[in-house]
Amino acid sequence: GENVEQHPSTLSVQEGDSAVIKCTYSDSASNYFPWYKQELGKRPQLIIDIRSNVGEKKDQRIAVTLNKTAKHFSLHITETQPEDSAVYFCAGNTTSTPGNNFNKFYFGSGTKLNVKP
Amino acid sequence: GAGVSQSPRYKVAKRGQDVALRCDPISGHVSLFWYQQALGQGPEFLTYFQNEAQLDKSGLPSDRFFAERPEGSVSTLKIQRTQQEDSAVYLCASSLATVYEQYFGPGTRLTVT
Repeated sequence: GENVEQHPSTLSVQEGDSAVIKCTYSDSASNYFPWYKQELGKRPQLIIDIRSNVGEKKDQRIAVTLNKTAKHFSLHITETQPEDSAVYFCAGNTTSTPGNNFNKFYFGSGTKLNVKP
Repeated sequence: GAGVSQSPRYKVAKRGQDVALRCDPISGHVSLFWYQQALGQGPEFLTYFQNEAQLDKSGLPSDRFFAERPEGSVSTLKIQRTQQEDSAVYLCASSLATVYEQYFGPGTRLTVT
């Protein structure tokens, strides 16, 4: 099955700086990579995702890059703000057993981002 | 519109008790997933439903864990004879058909004493 590794486990940046979180995956068949933001005690929220047919995707201050050859993808947050402080999880998909067309996600262990004002 | 909801939000059980956790997915979402999230870790897949059919239960840690979705909407995760290692947040997520995006509920924090 898929194995997703994420680093760093904690990241502290000054407000206005950029933050980068990196993930690697093992299953070459994985084709969908979402990123979730989870504030303390709250649900994981999808913030951006990327499919394997593109190398980069941007949404305002957030961008994700994907390198299929190296099997790694990264989350980039520019002009960080205190409200960006949270735990961020990456995930990679794998299809289920043959005949079942759904996406089973394997999550990284999370990065706790602290944006200092 | 309404998101995924879960109840109860918090549950304390004595070791050996049975518990039932409920998930209400987004209306119209065919796919429903259960995950277990240990403290400081990412969610781990437990089981998946497409409508009422449980198509994958490979992540259920033991036969004490049982999930159902009898009418293809609300789902219940049941844990029998709870153990301390079952303490975790149990997350439910739903997805529209087989598209990729999964939307999570707020979770149920289970503490087994």
